[in-house]
Amino acid sequence: GENVEQHPSTLSVQEGDSAVIKCTYSDSASNYFPWYKQELGKGPQLIIDIRSNVGEKKDQRIAVTLNKTAKHFSLHITETQPEDSAVYFCDLKPDSSASKIIFGSGTRLSIRP
Amino acid sequence: NAGVTQTPKFQVLKTGQSMTLQCAQDMNHNSMYWYRQDPGMGLRLIYYSASEGTTDKGEVPNGYNVSRLNKREFSLRLESAAPSQTSVYFCASRAGFLANTGELFFGEGSRLTVL
Repeated sequence: GENVEQHPSTLSVQEGDSAVIKCTYSDSASNYFPWYKQELGKGPQLIIDIRSNVGEKKDQRIAVTLNKTAKHFSLHITETQPEDSAVYFCDLKPDSSASKIIFGSGTRLSIRP
Repeated sequence: NAGVTQTPKFQVLKTGQSMTLQCAQDMNHNSMYWYRQDPGMGLRLIYYSASEGTTDKGEVPNGYNVSRLNKREFSLRLESAAPSQTSVYFCASRAGFLANTGELFFGEGSRLTVL
């Protein structure tokens, strides 16, 4: 069945450096590619998303890029700060169903001071 | 606006006991979801409801049942709890496929321990 692979599972970067997280999918009817941030003890929250007719979207220090041909999309965080430490997830609609949504396995990002 | 509200926030059960997790959203969303998150793991879809009156199995439905009581409420029931069901359960809602956004809104989670 459809799945989405997320890499890396853990990432540690020096404060001020950049972080990149990638999700790859095998097949998808989705035209919507979001990234969520989950802080400790809380539910995930959307931080940025992109639609399939757009290649890149930026919002201050975060950006998402989409390559539909290669079937992957990535989250980029620049000038990382301590508050960026969290778990990040991508999600996907795996088939023609309009509602079923599955998540990548998550990336635990740690920012070293 | 409360968003997505889950109850209870914490629960301890003995093996074989039953319980229901409640979820309600006040955003007039069509689609609702139940996920479980084991320690250090990702989110796995248990069941979802595309719209009022419909429910479908997700990735890990065994041992669970759901009810879409009305447009606002989507409950998750464990009929005979097992230690393997110890997890944090998240309810989420989404406006629906006709909306311009696919954003999921999550509750704060229900932490369940089965002894």
